[in-house]
Amino acid sequence: GAGVSQSPSNKVTEKGKDVELRCDPISGHTALYWYRQSLGQGLEFLIYFQGNSAPDKSGLPSDRFSAERTGGSVSTLTIQRTQQEDSAVYLCASSFSQRQPQHFGDGTRLSIL
Amino acid sequence: EDKVVQSPLSLVVHEGDTVTLNCSYEVTNFRSLLWYKQEKKAPTFLFMLTSSGIEKKSGRLSSILDKKELFSILNITATQTGDSAVYLCAVEAYAGGTSYGKLTFGQGTILTVHP
Repeated sequence: GAGVSQSPSNKVTEKGKDVELRCDPISGHTALYWYRQSLGQGLEFLIYFQGNSAPDKSGLPSDRFSAERTGGSVSTLTIQRTQQEDSAVYLCASSFSQRQPQHFGDGTRLSIL
Repeated sequence: EDKVVQSPLSLVVHEGDTVTLNCSYEVTNFRSLLWYKQEKKAPTFLFMLTSSGIEKKSGRLSSILDKKELFSILNITATQTGDSAVYLCAVEAYAGGTSYGKLTFGQGTILTVHP
């Protein structure tokens, strides 16, 4: 597609439920990143995928967070046993290579009740 | 820990004014600095700066990097209401000998341009 596509655009769920957020990067982009943007805060790095290499998970805030990237394309970010502090906008970005600027999707706004 | 600080946090101007947004950073193994504009949803890429003293320009927007003093500025001349947005500065660093694009973001500057 023309840009990074994320779904759903909004997700409201109850505390304790699991959620899955999806990111479809720009075609041909090998690098994929997940960030979290909380109210009044800057973007916080979560995880990075580059091709078939092992991902950099150093930004994941707890073991309730995990992410996969299948076939070097679509990625899913999973949050288990959601907590209210998980409420944020989750942004995905992709780039053609490590040396190229990242292009962002519109994000998924996650609200935990 | 890598750190990026933007100032001011918010700015209100009138159409036609010129604004300067600031970004300072403390990063180990700096590689590049990027500016993004965020309106309602996705941050959109503006500039990537890697070398000191070389101005990048796109229309009314321009940016420059000072790697000695560890800061960058984003200038917008003849502002328009459509320039109203959050402007994000981000820094990319090498990590453990591996080059990759993990970005550390500042909190952003909220720019409001009144007609």
